[in-house]
Amino acid sequence: RKEVEQDPGPFNVPEGATVAFNCTYSNSASQSFFWYRQDCRKEPKLLMSVYSSGNEDGRFTAQLNRASQYISLLIRDSKLSDSATYLCAVNGRGRGSGGNKLVFGAGTILRVKS
Amino acid sequence: EADIYQTPRYLVIGTGKKITLECSQTMGHDKMYWYQQDPGMELHLIHYSYGVNSTEKGDLSSESTVSRIRTEHFPLTLESARPSHTSQYLCASSAVAGGYEQYFGPGTRLTVT
Repeated sequence: RKEVEQDPGPFNVPEGATVAFNCTYSNSASQSFFWYRQDCRKEPKLLMSVYSSGNEDGRFTAQLNRASQYISLLIRDSKLSDSATYLCAVNGRGRGSGGNKLVFGAGTILRVKS
Repeated sequence: EADIYQTPRYLVIGTGKKITLECSQTMGHDKMYWYQQDPGMELHLIHYSYGVNSTEKGDLSSESTVSRIRTEHFPLTLESARPSHTSQYLCASSAVAGGYEQYFGPGTRLTVT
């Protein structure tokens, strides 16, 4: 089983729709959680951190469910420009200093259509 | 916005050549990472460093090597490039203090012919 798993999609949604992605993780000791956005053939860019109390930034809301070991990303009022791959990242088990690496999910593809 | 740079951005090179991909960051981050990513595929960690003179292999076996002589600089070297090395190579860094968030450079797209 992978440490971090995401539904690959693609999620095809119309403009203005609300869409949600989930990401499950296996390491119950993980403390840091993030969502990244990656455009085609570009580098991943940090979208937002995920805090225990949840985190909202404009149209984007991230939540953490420790009991079920998943994080979620909700995008409201989808725009064409939201089309991208969304990667979740969790600090995972590591050799050496241990736990200092981020483990990335394979990503969920979002396509917003007019 | 992160200040992390990679050169070259694109490289086409013949089989058997030695190449070095450069990565520099101006944020004073102690931790640096190299990832390999094929188009449409997931990120694979190939090397990381927690500080000067510290390097470790990542989760994906790679024939490349790295060095960390200066905090800001983390070059990756392939002694003899092969077509199987064709991929995108992404460098990232993160601070020791605070969370684990990583900031990525723009990547080097390598093609070995």
